[in-house]
Amino acid sequence: GENVEQHPSTLSVQEGDSAVIKCTYSDSASNYFPWYKQELGKRPQLIIDIRSNVGEKKDQRIAVTLNKTAKHFSLHITETQPEDSAVYFCAASPPLTGFQKLVFGTGTRLLVSP
Amino acid sequence: SQTIHQWPATLVQPVGSPLSLECTVEGTSNPNLYWYRQAAGRGLQLLFYSVGIGQISSEVPQNLSASRPQDRQFILSSKKLLLSDSGFYLCAWSGGQLNTEAFFGQGTRLTVV
Repeated sequence: GENVEQHPSTLSVQEGDSAVIKCTYSDSASNYFPWYKQELGKRPQLIIDIRSNVGEKKDQRIAVTLNKTAKHFSLHITETQPEDSAVYFCAASPPLTGFQKLVFGTGTRLLVSP
Repeated sequence: SQTIHQWPATLVQPVGSPLSLECTVEGTSNPNLYWYRQAAGRGLQLLFYSVGIGQISSEVPQNLSASRPQDRQFILSSKKLLLSDSGFYLCAWSGGQLNTEAFFGQGTRLTVV
């Protein structure tokens, strides 16, 4: 089955710097790659996702890139702000019919210092 | 709009006691339902998923079971809790289409003592 690895486990940056979180996946058939943000004590929420027919997607300060050949995808946050501090999870989903089976990475704790 | 409710928010149970966590979804029909566990410092592990009433698939062998007695109700149970069952349990739902956003409940922090 699918296996997703995520690095780094923790990331500390200064406000205004960029942050990059990287994930690799094992199942070349996976075709959906969402990123979730989980603030302390709260539920994970989708912040951006990308499908395998797209190499890059951007939404204001966040962007995701996908390299299908290398089977890795990355989250890029520019001009970080203290409210970006949270745990970020990547996930991959194989193309099953009728439902999606998200396999999550182990998470990256991002700390943005003012 | 769709909402997902999960309760209780926190639970402290002794080893060997039973468990029942409930999750309900409103505002949608025939959702796909999921139970995840998040252990401290670890990612989200898929425990069970359901594509319809009475249809449960288990992802990992464990001390837990799940049931879906109604279209928008998903229950996580155990007959006898183990210390290793402690963790943060999250219910989630997604639409029937492929590659759509999963919406999570608020989670239940379970501590087995």
